Amino acid sequence: GNSVTQMEGPVTLSEEAFLTINCTYTATGYPSLFWYVQYPGEGLQLLLKATKADDKGSNKGFEATYRKETTSFHLEKGSVQVSDSAVYFCALSDWDTGNQFYFGTGTSLTVIP
Amino acid sequence: EAGVAQSPRYKIIEKRQSVAFWCNPISGHATLYWYQQILGQGPKLLIQFQNNGVVDDSQLPKDRFSAERLKGVDSTLKIQPAKLEDSAVYLCASSSHRDRASPLHFGNGTRLTVT
Repeated sequence: GNSVTQMEGPVTLSEEAFLTINCTYTATGYPSLFWYVQYPGEGLQLLLKATKADDKGSNKGFEATYRKETTSFHLEKGSVQVSDSAVYFCALSDWDTGNQFYFGTGTSLTVIP
Repeated sequence: EAGVAQSPRYKIIEKRQSVAFWCNPISGHATLYWYQQILGQGPKLLIQFQNNGVVDDSQLPKDRFSAERLKGVDSTLKIQPAKLEDSAVYLCASSSHRDRASPLHFGNGTRLTVT
């Protein structure tokens, strides 16, 4: 079946630190991969995406590379800011079965000044 | 473009009462999803519509939950009767379903508290 596993949080970093949030997946077909971010009191917002192996998605200084050989899509940012404090969700979509989305459990990030 | 609209933002009810949530997707989006997000967990799919037909409702507790998408646009999710474990945020999302890169666009959700 399809599933997503994320590293557990919470994660606390100092401003300007390097961020990595691990994400691995299991898929029956060839999935598309996404990272969503959820700020307090808001819905999930698309952060970045990748649709095939070795694609790199990037946005707002965040990036993630679709690694088919390790079934991973780790999120990275070189220098985090206080405004990056949020919950981050890794997700995959299975186009071949009607574009169903599967989400990880989320990783809470707190950045302190 | 206008985003996904949901109402109400918050709802508090007693167990065994009924409640309804409303969602208006992004204009032109064929696919609409309802998710349940319990605190500290990822969103769990309840039901997926393609236009006004159901694609997947395998995780919808059909003895108490119902959903409809009349005319393939707005959607309503109902719970009757509510249980304590239904306390969660109910998220509506839509997608153009144009290709495999099509993401979900989420509303801000309805936070339900069942007492």
